[in-house]
Amino acid sequence: DVKVTQSSRYLVKRTGEKVFLECVQDMDHENMFWYRQDPGLGLRLIYFSYDVKMKEKGDIPEGYSVSREKKERFSLILESASTNQTSMYLCASSSTSGTTTKTQYFGPGTRLLVL
Amino acid sequence: DAKTTQPPSMDCAEGRAANLPCNHSTISGNEYVYWYRQIHSQGPQYIIHGLKNNETNEMASLIITEDRKSSTLILPHATLRDTAVYYCIVRAREGLYGNKLVFGAGTILRVKS
Repeated sequence: DVKVTQSSRYLVKRTGEKVFLECVQDMDHENMFWYRQDPGLGLRLIYFSYDVKMKEKGDIPEGYSVSREKKERFSLILESASTNQTSMYLCASSSTSGTTTKTQYFGPGTRLLVL
Repeated sequence: DAKTTQPPSMDCAEGRAANLPCNHSTISGNEYVYWYRQIHSQGPQYIIHGLKNNETNEMASLIITEDRKSSTLILPHATLRDTAVYYCIVRAREGLYGNKLVFGAGTILRVKS
C-alpha cells in the first residue's frame, strides 16, 4: 500500500512567519507534487519534483519554495506566510514505472490557517 | 486534458450499488480515465483507472463504453463511509512524470441508511 504522510493535519501561523510543510512517501516514487485546494478553485499545482534536488514550478509558485534533498521527502516552504495562503495543502507522489505509472497518491492534507 | 461532465450529486441506499456516471466525449486515444474520491477534510484517494477495457479492483469497477465517450464507476455495496466527492478525470500518461491532476466539481455521493 502506498503511504504518503504529511507532518501536520492542522497548522495555525501568523502573517510573516516562515512555514515548513513536510511530506514523506514510502514507495520509492520518483515524482512528488504539492497542490493547494480552495473552495471553488479545485486543485492547483504549486511545485513538483521528478528527482532528488530537481524541482519545477507549477501553476502558482509565487510565495512558495520547495526542497527535495532525499527521494522520499518533499518540503514546501512559505517564506513569509500571508493570509491568502490559508488553504488545504496536499502532497502527492507517483512512480515513473510499473503498473501504477503516473497514478498520483495523496497524503491526508494539511489545513493551514494564517492569521 | 479532456473535459469531463458529472452530475453534481447522487444518493444511494446503504448496501446497494452506487453507479456514478461520467461523460468525456472529447477524450483522445492516449487518455486514461481516472477516478478519485475525497472524503470531507481528507486528501483525495485514488480508486481506479482504465483506458479501454473494464477494470475491477478491491474498491470498485470501472465500465468504459466502447466509444470511450463515457464511463461509470460502480461501488458494488455502498457503505456510509463511501459518502464523499467523486472525481472523474481524463488525462494522458505520457511525459516524464505525468500531467498535473485537474479536478472538476465532481459528484457528491451521499450514502443513506
